[in-house]
Amino acid sequence: GNSVTQMEGPVTLSEEAFLTINCTYTATGYPSLFWYVQYPGEGLQLLLKATKADDKGSNKGFEATYRKETTSFHLEKGSVQVSDSAVYFCALMNSGYSTLTFGKGTMLLVSP
Amino acid sequence: DSGVTQTPKHLITATGQRVTLRCSPRSGDLSVYWYQQSLDQGLQFLIQYYNGEERAKGNILERFSAQQFPDLHSELNLSSLELGDSALYFCASSSRTGGYGTDTQYFGPGTRLTVL
Repeated sequence: GNSVTQMEGPVTLSEEAFLTINCTYTATGYPSLFWYVQYPGEGLQLLLKATKADDKGSNKGFEATYRKETTSFHLEKGSVQVSDSAVYFCALMNSGYSTLTFGKGTMLLVSP
Repeated sequence: DSGVTQTPKHLITATGQRVTLRCSPRSGDLSVYWYQQSLDQGLQFLIQYYNGEERAKGNILERFSAQQFPDLHSELNLSSLELGDSALYFCASSSRTGGYGTDTQYFGPGTRLTVL
């Protein structure tokens, strides 16, 4: 079956630090990969996505590259801000289906 | 604001009771998805409807059911509630059923259910 594994949090960083949140997946076929972000008290928002191997998704300074050989989709940002504090979810969607399989989520806390 | 609305925002009820959660998708979206977020299970897909018909089923208990109405809003019915059903229930919508070149799912703010 499908599964997504994320690094456990919380990840605590100072403002302007470099961020990496690891995500690996198990799936049959060629899934699409997503990062969603959940700010306190809100629903999930799509941050970025990649639909095939070697694609790079990017948005708001965040980026992630779909690596089929390592079944990974790590999220990175060069310089985090306090406003990036949130929970980040890695997810996959199998080709031909439209339902998402999520990882457990990683909380990011950024201090000034 | 994603354009997906959910009511109520909070719901507190007792074990054995039945509740109904409501979701209105973004204007024009035909697909509605329900997800459950709990501390122990994380975010899990429950069920999907497309234009009034059930399209996919995930880890949904038999005590739970859903439907999508002609105006495309959806309701999730939870019955014989147990303490373990306490969770955040999200609705999401997208314009197609998905497939290669997947549609983005837009999530509502969720309904927090507390079963006492």
